[in-house]
Amino acid sequence: DAGVTQSPTHLIKTRGQQVTLRCSPISGHKSVSWYQQVLGQGPQFIFQYYEKEERGRGNFPDRFSARQFPNYSSELNVNALLLGDSALYLCASSFLDRDNSPLHFGNGTRLTVT
Amino acid sequence: GDSVTQMEGPVTLSEEAFLTINCTYTATGYPSLFWYVQYPGEGLQLLLKATKADDKGSNKGFEATYRKETTSFHLEKGSVQVSDSAVYFCALSGSDKLIFGTGTRLQVFP
Repeated sequence: DAGVTQSPTHLIKTRGQQVTLRCSPISGHKSVSWYQQVLGQGPQFIFQYYEKEERGRGNFPDRFSARQFPNYSSELNVNALLLGDSALYLCASSFLDRDNSPLHFGNGTRLTVT
Repeated sequence: GDSVTQMEGPVTLSEEAFLTINCTYTATGYPSLFWYVQYPGEGLQLLLKATKADDKGSNKGFEATYRKETTSFHLEKGSVQVSDSAVYFCALSGSDKLIFGTGTRLQVFP
């Protein structure tokens, strides 16, 4: 079975640009979460979606937005990119939205902002 | 707020040595606890979990016990292999999300 897939794998953008990252969850999983992992740090929660509704939002500015589609895939959008947005962006899916439902992570999108 | 503290790395061991990576947490309520592993160039993989006090999670020779009295969830393995070299993250379940520690890099040499 396919795991969580993310695209693109790498991306280079300049300050002020906008970026869209994509995620396809494991088949049958209805919850998708996004995390930002800055080099040398643990992942930080950005968003969680379940059944196309936002269920949680981390401490990130409004430049960050996301949505989930009827097929449960998801997009993360970041506007007005800053150098500090350079990070590995991880998508994770789970069957339920409960806190003990294990998260399955994709390999991430490496975003570099110059 | 809820948080996770891990020992700083890197942890450098010879093959077949005993491994301990310390993890302590601060949380309101009774979270589930997790260990994730990240190999170079990859995302995170769930290694093991425990959902309540005194539960022991285990997988691939790794173990961790949920200790409520010491708010700890230390990762152990009796005999490490070179293939265990990776970054290990301790995490707890908060509302709607996982809260991760900063990660501990493990390097195992032959």
